Amino acid sequence: SQTIHQWPATLVQPVGSPLSLECTVEGTSNPNLYWYRQAAGRGLQLLFYSVGIGQISSEVPQNLSASRPQDRQFILSSKKLLLSDSGFYLCAWSPVAGGYTFGSGTRLTVV
Amino acid sequence: LAKTTQPISMDSYEGQEVNITCSHNNIATNDYITWYQQFPSQGPRFIIQGYKTKVTNEVASLFIPADRKSSTLSLPRVSLSDTAVYYCLVGDIGNTGKLIFGQGTTLQVKP
Repeated sequence: SQTIHQWPATLVQPVGSPLSLECTVEGTSNPNLYWYRQAAGRGLQLLFYSVGIGQISSEVPQNLSASRPQDRQFILSSKKLLLSDSGFYLCAWSPVAGGYTFGSGTRLTVV
Repeated sequence: LAKTTQPISMDSYEGQEVNITCSHNNIATNDYITWYQQFPSQGPRFIIQGYKTKVTNEVASLFIPADRKSSTLSLPRVSLSDTAVYYCLVGDIGNTGKLIFGQGTTLQVKP
């Protein structure tokens, strides 16, 4: 069966520090991968999606970037965090035709 | 991508059937309708997906009229544990599979 792993679960980082969140998927090949962010009390905002290795599409201009160095690995990064980057970050995968499966999320607090 | 409109919140009591309607007037021919459930500090969980008419699984039913401009998620005999945010999404699950989340409907089930 397919599983998705996302870590860390919580993270507190100072303003200006770098960020690296990792997401990996097991049990499938060539999945579509997604990064979402959810601010407190708000809906989910799609940040990036990828349909293959090295293929990244950005949905909103921001202080973040994404990379897909391997088929089942998706990384969300920032060189310098802003206070506004705080939120709940979720990674998800989907087969070419099917529903999303989300990871457990990372609660990021920028202080 | 088709925009969706759903009620911000709904209240119900244990044992009742709950119907949440979503409007998607600009749905495209290739779009599917998908519903997700999200509990606090967790990633959304896939509930049901459909293209037309009626779809039923062990959790819910999804009713889609012929014009596909709306859909209704039906939860039979809700319990307190069904208290969550429910998202209606419309999108082409093929190709990028990109889905845009709206603000969702917060369902509060009371004893």
